[in-house]
Amino acid sequence: DAKTTQPPSMDCAEGRAANLPCNHSTISGNEYVYWYRQIHSQGPQYIIHGLKNNETNEMASLIITEDRKSSTLILPHATLRDTAVYYCIVRVAGSGAGSYQLTFGKGTKLSVIP
Amino acid sequence: GAVVSQHPSRVICKSGTSVKIECRSLDFQATTMFWYRQFPKKSLMLMATSNEGSKATYEQGVEKDKFLINHASLTLSTLTVTSAHPEDSSFYICSANMATDTQYFGPGTRLTVL
Repeated sequence: DAKTTQPPSMDCAEGRAANLPCNHSTISGNEYVYWYRQIHSQGPQYIIHGLKNNETNEMASLIITEDRKSSTLILPHATLRDTAVYYCIVRVAGSGAGSYQLTFGKGTKLSVIP
Repeated sequence: GAVVSQHPSRVICKSGTSVKIECRSLDFQATTMFWYRQFPKKSLMLMATSNEGSKATYEQGVEKDKFLINHASLTLSTLTVTSAHPEDSSFYICSANMATDTQYFGPGTRLTVL
């Protein structure tokens, strides 16, 4: 799976949009971009994923550049409960058990400030 | 939907004893489950991939005789830490794959070996 690069930490004011960047310049055509977050002492929580189109759900929006070499996770109105470590992961589309593996990097620690 | 549970959430045991951790997918069937370990201030590290009805696949450096994994049904996988020692103290997290290819995580089990 391709590697990703994320800033180690970011701050965001409560109520403002949080924009978390991720670089995945070596991504392959059959690799998805997944975003998870981990709140302290909990298991990771799935947020969103995409292949090449922008995606939106009730939690966030995912913007993937046309060349697919980078993406941005957007939390439209950050709250204190969004303080967590956010992981951007690229992963090959499933075709067998091994291809479902997720490799976690260090992620971005997002701190939402009152 | 897509809920994964773990039991227990926290366990303290004496050195030399064995500890079993259960991972259940509550509202979906998971042919593949994964076990991760996370040390303080570190990212998740994959320990093994568990397929229903077959032997688990362990990552390099993970002792299969120490970390016994059983995946007896499509909704249950267990991890047994045998002859636990203080260095096995960690946060153990399981995950399960839905048919949609998305991986969902349990809340984690904090193991402390005295």
